[in-house]
Amino acid sequence: DIQMTQSPSTLSASVGDRVTITCRASQTIHSYLAWYQHKPGKAPKLLIYKASSLQTGVPSRFSGSGYATEFTLTISDLQPDDFAVYFCQHFHTYPYTFGQGTKLEI
Amino acid sequence: EVQLVESGGRLVQIGGSLRLSCAASGFNFDEYDMNWVRQAPGKGLEWLSHIPTRGDSIDYADSVKGRFTISRDNARNSLFLQLTSLRAEDTATYYCVRSSSWYYLDYWGQGTLVTVSS
Repeated sequence: DIQMTQSPSTLSASVGDRVTITCRASQTIHSYLAWYQHKPGKAPKLLIYKASSLQTGVPSRFSGSGYATEFTLTISDLQPDDFAVYFCQHFHTYPYTFGQGTKLEI
Repeated sequence: EVQLVESGGRLVQIGGSLRLSCAASGFNFDEYDMNWVRQAPGKGLEWLSHIPTRGDSIDYADSVKGRFTISRDNARNSLFLQLTSLRAEDTATYYCVRSSSWYYLDYWGQGTLVTVSS
């Protein structure tokens, strides 16, 4: 199975900051990576797919990059609504696996 | 608007069984593959199972293979997960999730909580 290693596990930031979250795959997944935002009691929300494509309706301050085994999610100009948990996930082959999550807190 | 609404979660004893349901609306259900994903308390997300549009070529995570069964009823726009031989470590919130045409997971339900206890 492909292992996804996400860092950091916790990230402290302020409104207006720019932050970066990293996800590393144990083998190449080409561009088959997605990023999600998850808030307590709510459905996870797709932000980025195919490593760098922005899901419809997601603000442009979210961006993704990377290929093969190294990927990043960048959030620019942090807004109060952005404080949540973020997960990466590969969709190269089954079983799909997720990163451990990054809690973005104030 | 795409909506996925899970139901059926409850407290169940170790070794017991349970059937989860997911009601889909806002899209042509029979045109999309579907999945179940879970999250145990304080843990990360775990993909469990995938079912194609016609219900063939199903995939399972090793942790649930032989114990859980995914199925769908396209006429009723519904997805199911039959859970058997439940263990304490199956305690989690279970999410119904749609696959996009590129197979990434694009829409999630809000989840249903399964608690397995003696």
